[in-house]
Amino acid sequence: GAVVSQHPSWVICKSGTSVKIECRSLDFQATTMFWYRQFPKQSLMLMATSNEGSKATYEQGVEKDKFLINHASLTLSTLTVTSAHPEDSSFYICSALGDRMNTEAFFGQGTRLTVV
Amino acid sequence: QKEVEQDPGPLSVPEGAIVSLNCTYSNSAFQYFMWYRQYSRKGPELLMYTYSSGNKEDGRFTAQVDKSSKYISLFIRDSQPSDSATYLCAISSGGSYIPTFGRGTSLIVHP
Repeated sequence: GAVVSQHPSWVICKSGTSVKIECRSLDFQATTMFWYRQFPKQSLMLMATSNEGSKATYEQGVEKDKFLINHASLTLSTLTVTSAHPEDSSFYICSALGDRMNTEAFFGQGTRLTVV
Repeated sequence: QKEVEQDPGPLSVPEGAIVSLNCTYSNSAFQYFMWYRQYSRKGPELLMYTYSSGNKEDGRFTAQVDKSSKYISLFIRDSQPSDSATYLCAISSGGSYIPTFGRGTSLIVHP
């Protein structure tokens, strides 16, 4: 299957700082990328859908000014958690969908964010 | 009622057992059915994908879909300790691929 690389795999930051998470499709062009959040023992919750070159579409209840998503190229999308608070601590996962793979998306390894 | 219901477990079985994992869904518009495996602190990986009622087999894994009952299953034969993970069902309605995930079932296969 296709490879999606997510970086970093874990990060610890102080309250009030911002953290950027990268999601790269390594061997295909990802026209659409998805960002999820997952709490322990909970399902994946879709945060936003991003299409290359356009603004992300956020799910209801997700603050777009807090979770900044940029999808500037066909192989890279970034999620920036701004002014992080301890309640933002979670597992963040991206997935990528390519033009020729419109029936399944491939997931990154996930990023565990801890805000202290 | 949630769109996709899945018992979180944990489900603990001995090595070699046949495992049955299940999900129910409420929206009859759902057409695509997937099972993902997620190891601790990792992203999900796609195991099985199907879009029709009936069975689909891949090695030790069999996915079963019953659209009339809105019920999907994943069977694992000859389970191994390496199968210990969380298994998530995911269902989408086609058109645009945005799946709805179950909460996942934690499976523990002990030697």
